[in-house]
Amino acid sequence: KAGVTQTPRYLIKTRGQQVTLSCSPISGHRSVSWYQQTPGQGLQFLFEYFSETQRNKGNFPGRFSGRQFSNSRSEMNVSTLELGDSALYLCASSLLGQAEKLFFGSGTQLSVL
Amino acid sequence: AQSVTQLGSHVSVSEGALVLLRCNYSSSVPPYLFWYVQYPNQGLQLLLKYTSAATLVKGINGFEAEFKKSETSFHLTKPSAHMSDAAEYFCAVTETGANNLFFGTGTRLTVIP
Repeated sequence: KAGVTQTPRYLIKTRGQQVTLSCSPISGHRSVSWYQQTPGQGLQFLFEYFSETQRNKGNFPGRFSGRQFSNSRSEMNVSTLELGDSALYLCASSLLGQAEKLFFGSGTQLSVL
Repeated sequence: AQSVTQLGSHVSVSEGALVLLRCNYSSSVPPYLFWYVQYPNQGLQLLLKYTSAATLVKGINGFEAEFKKSETSFHLTKPSAHMSDAAEYFCAVTETGANNLFFGTGTRLTVIP
């Protein structure tokens, strides 16, 4: 069974640009969560999607958005990039949204110059 | 509000020595608690979890943790460190069992040959 797949693996953008990251969950999983990992702030929850609906949202500005498609694949978008958005963005999936059965992808490393 | 505190951002142990990584939690309800490990340039891998069953939880790679409500602690231990245990370890909590985990700041474990 394939794991959680995140693309691209690395991304370099400049301030003011926007970026879209993609996450393909484990087959059959309906919940996808996104986390931001930075050296300063650590791991922070961004949002969770379940059956194409946002179910939970962390404390991030509106520049961070996401969506989930009918095949459970998810994308997150960051508009008007800032230097502080440089981070490892991790996606995690689970069958029914249970934290104890959460599987993480390897992440997308975003660098904002 | 839920949160976790990991004492010690860096821990060094000799190969074969006891590993003890500390985690204290704050939660207004019985929590779900987790330990994750992260190797360089990789995502998070679940080591073990506490979901209100047995208080002594055994995980992968010889790790275990004990839930102590009176001390609000969930420390991670391993009797004998191996070189392959060198990694960063994260403690996490959720009150609802949903995927919005709150992570500690992490502990980097170094194993000295």
